[in-house]
Amino acid sequence: QVQLQESGPGLVKPSQTLSLTCTVSGGSISSDDYYWSWIRQSPGKGLEWIGYIYYTGSTHYNPSLKSRLTISVDTSKSQFSLRLRSVTAADTAVYYCASEIRDAAATFDCWGQGTLVTVSS
Amino acid sequence: QSALTQPASVSGSPGQSITISCTGSSSDVGTYNYVSWYQHRPGKAPQLMIYEVSNRPSGVSNRFSGSKSGNTASLTISGLQGEDEADYYCSSYSHSSTPVVFGGGSKVTVL
Repeated sequence: QVQLQESGPGLVKPSQTLSLTCTVSGGSISSDDYYWSWIRQSPGKGLEWIGYIYYTGSTHYNPSLKSRLTISVDTSKSQFSLRLRSVTAADTAVYYCASEIRDAAATFDCWGQGTLVTVSS
Repeated sequence: QSALTQPASVSGSPGQSITISCTGSSSDVGTYNYVSWYQHRPGKAPQLMIYEVSNRPSGVSNRFSGSKSGNTASLTISGLQGEDEADYYCSSYSHSSTPVVFGGGSKVTVL
């Protein structure tokens, strides 16, 4: 069973860049079966899909974040990462990494526990 | 505001059945059979409970079932147990601006 673990700073200053990494264990990040995804939940709000990367490097981003967002993958380290530039308080959220089944759209079968990122000076 | 609409809270007594609705549109739930449900307990990773409207992953209790009618999907928990207390979220594939949309979540309380 695949396991996912997010890591990264819990506090980011406004206008700076939020950077998170997700480590994949118990399975291959180079699997044909999955898109590696980021999802967030702002305080008191529902879940928001951020985007995904396939192991080949192809990506798909939420249009509302696309201008500030980069998702990358390092297959040698079994990790994929999120970088969100020019953050504001509205980017404060619990960030989850998850695996989306390619053949079952919008089906996330494994999730990390999530990491809270607060944007504040 | 979430793309899919769920009731904020649903409650029931032990042993009863409850149903959580997830209402979308013809852009998502109404057109595609890619509706999933997740259980989320505080401090834990969300867990997939139902996928493709009504399929259960291995290891998920058969007390959990899913269905869909028109633009509304539903998750039913039968034989409600204390361990079922959690937040539940639905998701769907969508042909709108983002391919994945979520509901706002429903808090299930066992009375």
